[in-house]
Amino acid sequence: QKEVEQDPGPLSVPEGAIVSLNCTYSNSAFQYFMWYRQYSRKGPELLMYTYSSGNKEDGRFTAQVDKSSKYISLFIRDSQPSDSATYLCACSSGSARQLTFGSGTQLTVLP
Amino acid sequence: DGGITQSPKYLFRKEGQNVTLSCEQNLNHDAMYWYRQDPGQGLRLIYYSQIVNDFQKGDIAEGYSVSREKKESFPLTVTSAQKNPTAFYLCASIGQRGSSYNEQFFGPGTRLTVL
Repeated sequence: QKEVEQDPGPLSVPEGAIVSLNCTYSNSAFQYFMWYRQYSRKGPELLMYTYSSGNKEDGRFTAQVDKSSKYISLFIRDSQPSDSATYLCACSSGSARQLTFGSGTQLTVLP
Repeated sequence: DGGITQSPKYLFRKEGQNVTLSCEQNLNHDAMYWYRQDPGQGLRLIYYSQIVNDFQKGDIAEGYSVSREKKESFPLTVTSAQKNPTAFYLCASIGQRGSSYNEQFFGPGTRLTVL
């Protein structure tokens, strides 16, 4: 069993839809939870990070962490075609020195 | 303009050859990482280095080697011992974001194909 599980998709939604991306993890030591966005043939870029449980909002993006159920989510409101990318969740027990990645979810937002 | 550069962008290798992938950063970061990305498998850690002249094996180090002679540079050699080297290779370095979190910054990647 992988430490971080993520549905690979692909996920296709119409423009303006609310997107929900999810990961589950098994390691109770994880304290930092990140979402990276990766455009095709590019390196990942950090989208959001959350420490411990709770919600974090940044514009159209909201990250949620529920440590009791070991479940992390990323919500994208009013999705745009420019949001089309692969989204990777990542977890860490320290300050990002050892990241464990999910397999990534490929998202396409149709105009 | 600070960042991480990787070269080449595309690399083709014949079976039995060693190839070296370049990774350079001008962010003054101490820690650098190498990942391999395959479709549907996310990123897997090959090697990492937290300081010059020191490096550690990651989860899939077999068939790879690295060096860290300078802070700015962390080249990865894919040897002929690596049986399935075709993949997308990503280099990263760690820097601080705010006062409490160290972020991994990624380079643009090198796509290696074995012919």
